[in-house]
Amino acid sequence: GENVEQHPSTLSVQEGDSAVIKCTYSDSASNYFPWYKQELGKGPQLIIDIRSNVGEKKDQRIAVTLNKTAKHFSLHITETQPEDSAVYFCAANGNPGTASKLTFGTGTRLQVTL
Amino acid sequence: KAGVTQTPRYLIKTRGQQVTLSCSPISGHRSVSWYQQTPGQGLQFLFEYFSETQRNKGNFPGRFSGRQFSNSRSEMNVSTLELGDSALYLCASSSSPGQGGGDTQYFGPGTRLTVL
Repeated sequence: GENVEQHPSTLSVQEGDSAVIKCTYSDSASNYFPWYKQELGKGPQLIIDIRSNVGEKKDQRIAVTLNKTAKHFSLHITETQPEDSAVYFCAANGNPGTASKLTFGTGTRLQVTL
Repeated sequence: KAGVTQTPRYLIKTRGQQVTLSCSPISGHRSVSWYQQTPGQGLQFLFEYFSETQRNKGNFPGRFSGRQFSNSRSEMNVSTLELGDSALYLCASSSSPGQGGGDTQYFGPGTRLTVL
């Protein structure tokens, strides 16, 4: 089955700096890669996703890049703000053709300090 | 639109009991997936239902089961509870199976199950 590795497990940045979280996946058939943000006491919230037919996607301060050959994808957050502090999860679909059966990384706890 | 709702939000049970959790998807969404989240194992896929049929299943024992109703609402059941079943159980809904690449899953707030 699919295996997703995520690094780093914790990340501390100063407000205004950039944050980068990296993930690798094992199943070359995976074709959908979402990123979720989870705040304390809440369910994961989708922040951005990318499909295998594109290499990069951007939404304001958030961007995701995908390297299918290397089976890597990364989340980039620019101009970080205190409200960006949360746990971030990457995921890959374990059932190509649908977004279901997601395999998640182990999460990155991002702390944005003033 | 209202988001995914899950009831109850918190639940305490003892070993050997059984439990039923409920999930109401976003209006118009027909696919419901369930995930278990624990500190040790992270987020793990349990199963997915679409049009009242189980479409995908994760690697969990048969004590974990689910169903979906004609209005797309879903329930999951865990029988003979074990201490290790203590977890946050998350439900996610999506509008329909995507073609060639996926359909976004939206998560509810989860049900926190504690087994004593």
